[in-house]
Amino acid sequence: GAGVSQSPSNKVTEKGKDVELRCDPISGHTALYWYRQSLGQGLEFLIYFQGNSAPDKSGLPSDRFSAERTGGSVSTLTIQRTQQEDSAVYLCASTRGGQGLNQPQHFGDGTRLSIL
Amino acid sequence: DQQVKQNSPSLSVQEGRISILNCDYTNSMFDYFLWYKKYPAEGPTFLISISSIKDKNEDGRFTVFLNKSAKHLSLHIVPSQPGDSAVYFCAARRKTSGSRLTFGEGTQLTVNP
Repeated sequence: GAGVSQSPSNKVTEKGKDVELRCDPISGHTALYWYRQSLGQGLEFLIYFQGNSAPDKSGLPSDRFSAERTGGSVSTLTIQRTQQEDSAVYLCASTRGGQGLNQPQHFGDGTRLSIL
Repeated sequence: DQQVKQNSPSLSVQEGRISILNCDYTNSMFDYFLWYKKYPAEGPTFLISISSIKDKNEDGRFTVFLNKSAKHLSLHIVPSQPGDSAVYFCAARRKTSGSRLTFGEGTQLTVNP
């Protein structure tokens, strides 16, 4: 597709369960970012992948959160033992890459995660 | 520590008039600034950006102004249209932080016909 694709668009799960969120970036984009937006808040950075470099995980809020990017394309964000405060919209973005280049990030429509 | 702030949660303007959205930042290391527009249930859409070496960038109805000494940027939309009604986020990047963006809380713009 032409844009960043995220799935599922909505996810409702019980507290304590694990969830996996998927992001398929724009073809050819080497940089991939995960953010989350809690209700009434701005976007909060979670993690950043650039090519084959080690990811920048400095935004992950706890060790229950992890992400991987296989083959330099699709990324999966995993949240283990979900808590109610994890409820948010999780957004993925990508750019052509190159640290420091002035390139806007292009976002998917997000996954709305609700923890019951 | 909110490094990017949008102090107005909402703004309402009449169609055809100018909309001015404001954003303040605290980190002098930010070198690239962006504005995004977001409709409900959609991801943010890139609107316009500006490098810290400039003080103005224009694209059609959208102009972004950067005042580095005041650590302030603004987005002007003229003329405003009802389809511009959305949440607008400003974002900033620090080159040494690997291109991650720091976002403001957003301003809900409503353009009334």
